[in-house]
Amino acid sequence: DAGVTQSPTHLIKTRGQQVTLRCSPKSGHDTVSWYQQALGQGPQFIFQYYEEEERQRGNFPDRFSGHQFPNYSSELNVNALLLGDSALYLCASDWGSGALRGQETQYFGPGTRLLVL
Amino acid sequence: SQELEQSPQSLIVQEGKNLTINCTSSKTLYGLYWYKQKYGEGLIFLMMLQKGGEEKSHEKITAKLDEKKQQSSLHITASQPSHAGIYLCGADPLSGSARQLTFGSGTQLTVLP
Repeated sequence: DAGVTQSPTHLIKTRGQQVTLRCSPKSGHDTVSWYQQALGQGPQFIFQYYEEEERQRGNFPDRFSGHQFPNYSSELNVNALLLGDSALYLCASDWGSGALRGQETQYFGPGTRLLVL
Repeated sequence: SQELEQSPQSLIVQEGKNLTINCTSSKTLYGLYWYKQKYGEGLIFLMMLQKGGEEKSHEKITAKLDEKKQQSSLHITASQPSHAGIYLCGADPLSGSARQLTFGSGTQLTVLP
């Protein structure tokens, strides 16, 4: 049973550039959430995709955008990169149905470490 | 917005010792999740608690949620070097239909052999 996978594992960009990160959910899951984890901090929720739509969003600027594909995989795009965007970006998957909430947890991928110079 | 405070921020124990990590919420929790993270890696799910007074155990790790559902503790018995890592508590605030977790800042555990 494949878990959550993310690519690439590491990435180095310069300020002002754009980046795309990719995530494939755990087999059987249909919902993907993205989190940003700065060094020494807990993960912070960016947004969640369900049925190819952004369902909920955290306190992140519009420079952060995403997409979900029919096979449930997802992309996170960040435009006009800032030094402060350097972080570990985590993808998590679970069931989107509210009826199953509480019976499942979010499973996290290994993350993509982004360094902005 | 919901905030989670974890204590201690870091912990160094000798192998074989017991230890406890605490997680306190500013609001009543709908669900409380414990994860473990190796430095720079993804989160490994440990346990989920939902009911007031609930207690769950897995191997040498026990997690409890208090009756008021605002405080949780994670207890490790007879610690081993394999227990080392960052322990994170996450809360589901039940805002909207999405499971949007809010995390504490983590507890860094070092186990000395």
